[in-house]
Amino acid sequence: SAVISQKPSRDICQRGTSLTIQCQVDSQVTMMFWYRQQPGQSLTLIATANQGSEATYESGFVIDKFPISRPNLTFSTLTVSNMSPEDSSIYLCSVAETQYFGPGTRLLVL
Amino acid sequence: TQLLEQSPQFLSIQEGENLTVYCNSSSVFSSLQWYRQEPGEGPVLLVTVVTGGEVKKLKRLTFQFGDARKDSSLHITAAQPGDTGLYLCAARNTGGFKTIFGAGTRLFVKA
Repeated sequence: SAVISQKPSRDICQRGTSLTIQCQVDSQVTMMFWYRQQPGQSLTLIATANQGSEATYESGFVIDKFPISRPNLTFSTLTVSNMSPEDSSIYLCSVAETQYFGPGTRLLVL
Repeated sequence: TQLLEQSPQFLSIQEGENLTVYCNSSSVFSSLQWYRQEPGEGPVLLVTVVTGGEVKKLKRLTFQFGDARKDSSLHITAAQPGDTGLYLCAARNTGGFKTIFGAGTRLFVKA
């Protein structure tokens, strides 16, 4: 099993600013996945983060908007850059081929 | 684009009733997962089915994977208020490691 924590749990931000979300796992994992869950909707994969290489982004998501770091096998960050109200969402990290999810970061952009 | 269609989108029932949630696709998947998500939390994996025709039971929940591995159902017997939540189906295509999610079924069980 894996226990995942995320910081912050929630935040309210002004448009044009950036927020970095942290994901910490209690064990070493090869792949970490970042998902977005917009209000009332399902989960959409943003990118897959492997340690030691560039993240792989899904269609519709770009590195300039969502830069990801993966400095070691237990930690990753996702930055939401130059935010707009459309970025208001829950951001979730996941490991072990989505067997385990973090509690999510609830972001509201004003 | 592979899509998972879930139905119904929303279900409000009385405690003790039975219900079935469906997850359908035109694609064949190597495995299919069901999750439950409560407000303020991440999804929690309930079950993974991998074999066509497979049936798995988890207390009052019964999960079935279609023979052709394109669809699945979740049946809850004698629903309880604690079953309230968002039920998500998800699938991974053959040889892939990426998981796609259905839109979810929001269940509310009234006491």
